[in-house]
Amino acid sequence: AQRVTQPEKLLSVFKGAPVELKCNYSYSGSPELFWYVQYSRQRLQLLLRHISRESIKGFTADLNKGETSFHLKKPFAQEEDSAMYYCALETSGSRLTFGEGTQLTVNP
Amino acid sequence: DAGITQSPRYKITETGRQVTLMCHQTWSHSYMFWYRQDLGHGLRLIYYSAAADITDKGEVPDGYVVSRSKTENFPLTLESATRSQTSVYFCASKDRRNTEAFFGQGTRLTVV
Repeated sequence: AQRVTQPEKLLSVFKGAPVELKCNYSYSGSPELFWYVQYSRQRLQLLLRHISRESIKGFTADLNKGETSFHLKKPFAQEEDSAMYYCALETSGSRLTFGEGTQLTVNP
Repeated sequence: DAGITQSPRYKITETGRQVTLMCHQTWSHSYMFWYRQDLGHGLRLIYYSAAADITDKGEVPDGYVVSRSKTENFPLTLESATRSQTSVYFCASKDRRNTEAFFGQGTRLTVV
């Protein structure tokens, strides 16, 4: 069965510091992975998807099939990055399986 | 307004009552989903639909019923609400595989 694990429930960094949000997955098929973000009092929205290999708001994520990981990284965190981040795996029927989420706080 | 909307935004109901959460999208997306968000569990899929009149169970379907007679609507019904169903419920829609899922604002349901 598919599974997404985000080992850190809470992550706190200082402004300007690098940040890495970890995501590991298990899936027998070819993985399609996403990062979604939920800012305070806003709806969940897509941050980036692995297939696009893009950088959004300074964030990048690389799919590592050998380690079954899709960690989200940003070299210099900003206060506006404070939010809940969810890693998600798309499986058959376009269903998304989400991890438990990581609450990121960027301190001034 | 274009987009995906949920109603109500907040609901308090009593144990044993039936309650329906509404979800409406204006894009004619094929896929629609219902998730519940709970601390420590992230978002868990309750039910999903690939098209009108096609629905299937997700990870946590017990106690819930869905229907999809029209492409744009995907109501979620709690047949007999229990305290364990107190949660924030999110509806989402997407077009096809590998595309972005769009989420509603959420419905905060409290069962007392």
